[in-house]
Amino acid sequence: AQSVTQLGSHVSVSEGALVLLRCNYSSSVPPYLFWYVQYPNQGLQLLLKYTSAATLVKGINGFEAEFKKSETSFHLTKPSAHMSDAAEYFCAVSLTGGGNKLTFGTGTQLKVEL
Amino acid sequence: AAGVIQSPRHLIKEKRETATLKCYPIPRHDTVYWYQQGPGQDPQFLISFYEKMQSDKGSIPDRFSAQQFSDYHSELNMSSLELGDSALYFCASSLALEREDSYNEQFFGPGTRLTVL
Repeated sequence: AQSVTQLGSHVSVSEGALVLLRCNYSSSVPPYLFWYVQYPNQGLQLLLKYTSAATLVKGINGFEAEFKKSETSFHLTKPSAHMSDAAEYFCAVSLTGGGNKLTFGTGTQLKVEL
Repeated sequence: AAGVIQSPRHLIKEKRETATLKCYPIPRHDTVYWYQQGPGQDPQFLISFYEKMQSDKGSIPDRFSAQQFSDYHSELNMSSLELGDSALYFCASSLALEREDSYNEQFFGPGTRLTVL
């Protein structure tokens, strides 16, 4: 079975500060990993994905994530938070050979303060 | 670029009524996925279709059924609605997998917000 765990349902940072959202996964086979962002009353937008190429993945809006197999982690970072980054962030995993469906973590609400 | 279209965007129903949600995938995408996101929860996979055949099934209640049509659009039919069915229902589409161990990006629609009163 596959799953993802997001540590911290709420994260608050100051504008300009580092953003770090944590995601750990469990999978018996090499996973595909994703980060999605969801703004209030909107759909899911893909930020970035890891599909077994480079372990450091760069996404949109200045976000990046690093796949660390030894730590089973795929944490999302951004060097400098912007007010527009306030949203809900979901880590998701797709199991190799699992039909492409996504299993999501419980989400992390990011708040950016002045 | 064309995106995934879902209709209606909002739907209000009474308990025990039925509802039909529609999803129009990105042109040339032949695989459709349905997800349910309850209030304050993460999206949960319901069901997926490829070439009009069910390809995978998740936590979809027996009261729900879905199908994919020859033009690849999909409909999610929900009967005997319950208060707990109130949620945001997402549809996503992708190209079919070339290999079992590959992955194709899913593109999500804006969702249909279903409210059951």
